[in-house]
Amino acid sequence: SQQGEEDPQALSIQEGENATMNCSYKTSINNLQWYRQNSGRGLVHLILIRSNEREKHSGRLRVTLDTSKKSSSLLITASRAADTASYFCATDFWGAQKLVFGQGTRLTINP
Amino acid sequence: DAGVTQSPTHLIKTRGQQVTLRCSPKSGHDTVSWYQQALGQGPQFIFQYYEEEERQRGNFPDRFSGHQFPNYSSELNVNALLLGDSALYLCASSSTGYGGYTFGSGTRLTVV
Repeated sequence: SQQGEEDPQALSIQEGENATMNCSYKTSINNLQWYRQNSGRGLVHLILIRSNEREKHSGRLRVTLDTSKKSSSLLITASRAADTASYFCATDFWGAQKLVFGQGTRLTINP
Repeated sequence: DAGVTQSPTHLIKTRGQQVTLRCSPKSGHDTVSWYQQALGQGPQFIFQYYEEEERQRGNFPDRFSGHQFPNYSSELNVNALLLGDSALYLCASSSTGYGGYTFGSGTRLTVV
């Protein structure tokens, strides 16, 4: 079974609004990563947050990590139509040498 | 700087046939991983290659095999194709010691 579970499965908002996606996982991790996927093509790496970090920013993206709750969130501020995509969290746990992905959140930005 | 290159982009095969997918990693990366993504699902880890050896394997049957060449490029082979093997196959490269991965655009395999 997949380690990460994303919530919600689908999210539709107006352009300019903020979008928040959540991810929960089951076991201790080395790091957690967020990826974007447009129209079933390749994954684009957005942010990597390590287990000893609590928050990271990259442009309009903000990621938080709460290891006590085994959860992470991705916030996209001032959304744009180009942000329409599927977003996946992926956990990299110690010694695994692999990423375990959740089912993803399908984000739609309405103009 | 070229990223991860995968070929072909699309492929249609008949059930029972064999297929080979190819991947060239990002410059400077020495590790290649393969993932299978069914429609509407998250990617599932198939295996990872480092120093021309399979370092880690996911829950996939032996019909799935791979190879890594001295130039770090990699192939994924699937024998005796089943309809359920229809999926997007993603290659990801990384370098030892860094946790981030660079993904290719994938190969869309359809088995009919």
